[in-house]
Amino acid sequence: AQSVTQLDSHVSVSEGTPVLLRCNYSSSYSPSLFWYVQHPNKGLQLLLKYTSAATLVKGINGFEAEFKKSETSFHLTKPSAHMSDAAEYFCVVSDRSQFYFGTGTSLTVIP
Amino acid sequence: GAGVSQSPSNKVTEKGKDVELRCDPISGHTALYWYRQSLGQGLEFLIYFQGNSAPDKSGLPSDRFSAERTGGSVSTLTIQRTQQEDSAVYLCASSYLAGSSYEQYFGPGTRLTVT
Repeated sequence: AQSVTQLDSHVSVSEGTPVLLRCNYSSSYSPSLFWYVQHPNKGLQLLLKYTSAATLVKGINGFEAEFKKSETSFHLTKPSAHMSDAAEYFCVVSDRSQFYFGTGTSLTVIP
Repeated sequence: GAGVSQSPSNKVTEKGKDVELRCDPISGHTALYWYRQSLGQGLEFLIYFQGNSAPDKSGLPSDRFSAERTGGSVSTLTIQRTQQEDSAVYLCASSYLAGSSYEQYFGPGTRLTVT
């Protein structure tokens, strides 16, 4: 069975400092993994996805995620937080066309 | 091209009434999903349609909830005898096979308020 665990329900960073949002997955085979972002009162937007090509995936808005099979992790990072990054972030694992969402991490950016 | 659309964007209904929520997926997407998101919460999976296969209804919270997908395209989520705990944003998504994996695209949601 597939599942994801987002290790932090809330992360707070200062503007200009690095962002790390943690995600661990469980999958019975080589997974496809995604990060989605949801800004307040907005829909979900795909940030990036991993599908067994390069283990370091670059997404929109300067975000990256690294797939580490040995650690079953897919953490989301950004070198320098911007105020506009404040949002809810969801880590997702897919089993063909079925998707399994984590519980989300709320990112606050302090000016 | 057009994204996933949902209607209405907002719906206020009285407890006990039935409501229908509509989702128009992206043309050509084979899979369609309904989720529920309560205030400040994550996504709760409700139901999933893939092509002509029987839908996965494992997430429907009660028999008051049902959904259909006509002609492999438009879907309607119906909630009968609405309760206050049904108040939430209902999100629809569709997906297609992009290379070796499916990609899921979300609509803007329908905000349901049961008074």
